[in-house]
Amino acid sequence: EVQLVESGGGLIQPGGSLRLSCAASGFTVSSNCMTWVRQAPGKGLEWVSLIYSDGSTYFADSVKGRFAISRDTSENTLYLQMNSLRVEDTAVYYCVTMHLEYNTAMFGWLDHWGQGTLVTVSS
Amino acid sequence: QSVLTQPPSVSGAPGQRVTISCTGGDSNIGAGYHVHWYQQLPRTAPKVLISNNNNRPSGVPDRFSGSKSGTSASLAITGLQAEDEADYYCQSYDSSLSAWVFGGGTKLTVL
Repeated sequence: EVQLVESGGGLIQPGGSLRLSCAASGFTVSSNCMTWVRQAPGKGLEWVSLIYSDGSTYFADSVKGRFAISRDTSENTLYLQMNSLRVEDTAVYYCVTMHLEYNTAMFGWLDHWGQGTLVTVSS
Repeated sequence: QSVLTQPPSVSGAPGQRVTISCTGGDSNIGAGYHVHWYQQLPRTAPKVLISNNNNRPSGVPDRFSGSKSGTSASLAITGLQAEDEADYYCQSYDSSLSAWVFGGGTKLTVL
């Protein structure tokens, strides 16, 4: 059974850094396409970042240059390093597997979701 | 302002049929990218409801169906049940933005 457990969220001041972790079980993170999706309080879903199994990475314009996505094969864990945090980054961050279609995420869908971890950026 | 446009809310009585629209443009739905739908029950993570425009993953009741035409897509729910009360999101890919995009979400209320 696929399980995703996020951790690392919390209260952080604007300009600060935080690293989110997503511990996976039931499959191999490095062999799959993984994403981070966030949801601001009372708002809709927003795609944040994606990493293919070959290591290529993609970011939403709103976080480009500030966030980094990575993974640890030995820990079977996905990470999201968040720097220069802004108030508008406040959200629940979900770790999600991306099911590829035609061997690309452009046609794929978000398959398995974690329970999310809340990041609050506030002074 | 979401790239994909959904009505903020829809409602229906138990047993009725409702539809939720998702309108995009030439760089996303109109470009042929698939539309997927997600259901988010209160205080839970979203789950995929419809993939590839009209496919139901295993376990999703056949009361849920999806369709796509031109630059728009729709989610239909027949035989409404109280447990269907949730937020629904459409999602696709946008080639102009090089990003995966969502609709703003639609809150379904079962009267």
